[in-house]
Amino acid sequence: GENVEQHPSTLSVQEGDSAVIKCTYSDSASNYFPWYKQELGKRPQLIIDIRSNVGEKKDQRIAVTLNKTAKHFSLHITETQPEDSAVYFCAASGNNRLAFGKGNQVVVIP
Amino acid sequence: GAGVSQSPSNKVTEKGKDVELRCDPISGHTALYWYRQSLGQGLEFLIYFQGNSAPDKSGLPSDRFSAERTGGSVSTLTIQRTQQEDSAVYLCASSPSQASGRSGELFFGEGSRLTVL
Repeated sequence: GENVEQHPSTLSVQEGDSAVIKCTYSDSASNYFPWYKQELGKRPQLIIDIRSNVGEKKDQRIAVTLNKTAKHFSLHITETQPEDSAVYFCAASGNNRLAFGKGNQVVVIP
Repeated sequence: GAGVSQSPSNKVTEKGKDVELRCDPISGHTALYWYRQSLGQGLEFLIYFQGNSAPDKSGLPSDRFSAERTGGSVSTLTIQRTQQEDSAVYLCASSPSQASGRSGELFFGEGSRLTVL
């Protein structure tokens, strides 16, 4: 089955700087790559996703890039704010169930 | 309801007792997942239901864990003879059907926090 890995496990950034989280996946048939944000004590929520027919997608301060050849995709957060502090999970799937990475703790330092 | 509903929100039980956790997915969603999340940890996949297909049970950690989904809607996760290491938040998520079998957004419930004493 699909195996998704995230790195780094923890990332600290100064408020206003950019944060980048990278994920790799193993199954070349995967074609859907979402990112979920989980704030402390809350449920995970989808923040952005990308399908394999595009290489990049943006939504205000967040963007996701996909490199299918290398089988990795990244989340980019620009102009980070304290409310961006959370755990971010990447995931991948093809025609089967979604497989999640272990999560990245992002800490935005005011 | 507007979202995925889970009950109970909190459950404290004694070691060795059985527990049942319930998930009401969003109406019409064909896919349903159960995950376990220990404190500060990631999302541990347990089981996946998709329509009328046989469930993917590959994540269940032992034969003490089982789940069913009746009528393609409500799901119950049962843990028999609970152990202290079963203490965690159990999250349910549902997803609508997608064209050509493609995955879609997962909508998570608030979770059921299980504490085994």
